[in-house]
Amino acid sequence: AQKITQTQPGMFVQEKEAVTLDCTYDTSDQSYGLFWYKQPSSGEMIFLIYQGSYDEQNATEGRYSLNFQKARKSANLVISASQLGDSAMYFCAMRGGYSSASKIIFGSGTRLSIRP
Amino acid sequence: GAVVSQHPSWVICKSGTSVKIECRSLDFQATTMFWYRQFPKQSLMLMATSNEGSKATYEQGVEKDKFLINHASLTLSTLTVTSAHPEDSSFYICSVVSGDARYEQYFGPGTRLTVT
Repeated sequence: AQKITQTQPGMFVQEKEAVTLDCTYDTSDQSYGLFWYKQPSSGEMIFLIYQGSYDEQNATEGRYSLNFQKARKSANLVISASQLGDSAMYFCAMRGGYSSASKIIFGSGTRLSIRP
Repeated sequence: GAVVSQHPSWVICKSGTSVKIECRSLDFQATTMFWYRQFPKQSLMLMATSNEGSKATYEQGVEKDKFLINHASLTLSTLTVTSAHPEDSSFYICSVVSGDARYEQYFGPGTRLTVT
């Protein structure tokens, strides 16, 4: 069975500081994909970053980077130079296997609040 | 990324009535779409996988006779909540699967259902 665990229900960070959101996962699949999504109060799910299980380098997308530690089964999201607009819910997600029918499961989420 | 629309964006209905929610992929053909439900301050829970031209695959615990899914074309999937009850009030989100190697999911903006 696949499982995603986010142990930080909420975090407060000062503006311009870096923040790390934790995510651990469990799967028996050899091939899988890891995602981070941002959900502001409007409810839309915004894709942030993707890491494939065979990718040797950590993924980066602008201010977002994914600290992928395969042996530890962790996929932490790092946001550099946080901004007020980063305040939102953040979900770690995993897709098992590589097909269009592969399901994505989500962690419980972390609510990030940026202080001015 | 893909553009996904949902209609309506919000709906209020009376207990016992049925409500149809549409999910459209606007710029590419999607053989697979997913339907999620999100209760307040909770994560997204996968309800079912919608497959074009065939029956939907429901997750364990989701009543297929209550949540009717029809994926009649490559750009449209519908979720009908039949005989709605107040406990069905939730945020319903659909997603379509990309055609690239990531099999990334692009999410619709969601539909907020309130059953009175």
